[in-house]
Amino acid sequence: AQRVTQPEKLLSVFKGAPVELKCNYSYSGSPELFWYVQYSRQRLQLLLRHISRESIKGFTADLNKGETSFHLKKPFAQEEDSAMYYCALLNAGGTSYGKLTFGQGTILTVHP
Amino acid sequence: DTAVSQTPKYLVTQMGNDKSIKCEQNLGHDTMYWYKQDSKKFLKIMFSYNNKELIINETVPNRFSPKSPDKAHLNLHINSLELGDSAVYFCASSQKMGEGRETDTQYFGPGTRLTVL
Repeated sequence: AQRVTQPEKLLSVFKGAPVELKCNYSYSGSPELFWYVQYSRQRLQLLLRHISRESIKGFTADLNKGETSFHLKKPFAQEEDSAMYYCALLNAGGTSYGKLTFGQGTILTVHP
Repeated sequence: DTAVSQTPKYLVTQMGNDKSIKCEQNLGHDTMYWYKQDSKKFLKIMFSYNNKELIINETVPNRFSPKSPDKAHLNLHINSLELGDSAVYFCASSQKMGEGRETDTQYFGPGTRLTVL
């Protein structure tokens, strides 16, 4: 069964500091991984997905199949980055194809 | 111009009542989903429909019945509401599903906060 783990429920950093939100996954197939962000009382928004290899709002994430990780990083955090961040894994095959499994979420707070 | 919309935004009701939440997407997507976000902010898929056909049903009680009158709409009807149903319900859509490409990306609605008293 697929599983996504975000070990940190809360993460606090100061503005300008580097930030890393951890995500580990368990999946037997070839993983499709995403990071979604939810600002206070707003809808979930796609931040990035690994196949796009983009940098959005200064965030990057690299898929490490050896460590089964997809950590989200930003070198210099900004106050507007404060939000809930979800790592998600897409089941792209089998009987549950299309199923997006979310991690527990990490609340990032960036202090001024 | 909203891509995925839900109504109502807030829903407060008594235990035992029946209520519906509506979802519409104007993106021309084939697939729609319902997710539940509980009080601990944990998100879990409930259903998905592809071209009006039920694809995923994640051990959701029978009291929850999704209905897809057309590709652009996926409504959620809940019978005999219970206290534990209080949550934020998110609708989402994607162009396709399960192909492992850009077309799998899911876009979410604003959510419906359901409170059962």
